[in-house]
Amino acid sequence: ETGVTQSPTHLIKTRGQQVTLRCSSQSGHNTVSWYQQALGQGPQFIFQYYREEENGRGNFPPRFSGLQFPNYSSELNVNALELDDSALYLCASSSRQGAANEKLFFGSGTQLSVL
Amino acid sequence: SQQGEEDPQALSIQEGENATMNCSYKTSINNLQWYRQNSGRGLVHLILIRSNEREKHSGRLRVTLDTSKKSSSLLITASRAADTASYFCATYSGGSNYKLTFGKGTLLTVNP
Repeated sequence: ETGVTQSPTHLIKTRGQQVTLRCSSQSGHNTVSWYQQALGQGPQFIFQYYREEENGRGNFPPRFSGLQFPNYSSELNVNALELDDSALYLCASSSRQGAANEKLFFGSGTQLSVL
Repeated sequence: SQQGEEDPQALSIQEGENATMNCSYKTSINNLQWYRQNSGRGLVHLILIRSNEREKHSGRLRVTLDTSKKSSSLLITASRAADTASYFCATYSGGSNYKLTFGKGTLLTVNP
């Protein structure tokens, strides 16, 4: 167990809808990163939050947005869902922003299916 | 985009045998990490090797890094059925955000 919890575990939405995924980081961690993992692929970096500010973004459109709260928990919001958004969404926490030689602690993920 | 490419894509061995997985990457790195994923769930960190290190051990795991060839290998010795999982290499290339770039993974099956 990593201490990172994600909810919900599974979600089914239809194209065009909006979704919010939640993540509670491990105690003592102030940085949360979100990754998207399509079936058969490795995780791809969406963005990172450090002390409630977005701190880096991958190659994802603006309809992917996020928040980090004062307790360092985080949300990932996706608007105007597309079929290709179907994937496992992983949240990872770490203790310091930009720290080299830092490992990530992952939650179990939210499996999103867009129909 | 994927930075690393694992090889092979899938590997099937018998319990007790050793398993070797390789990873190649494209750009210079600060460190390279290996993660394990069971049945499409969360990833678990296994081992991290810095760019100035050539070999590292942790229990039954041995990782090597060759920065001149931009490649790494993960060796699991005396494999067990419980080692069955997907294994991913991930690279950190520096920058203000701690972004990891993952490969596509190797699916390891250890048969009892």
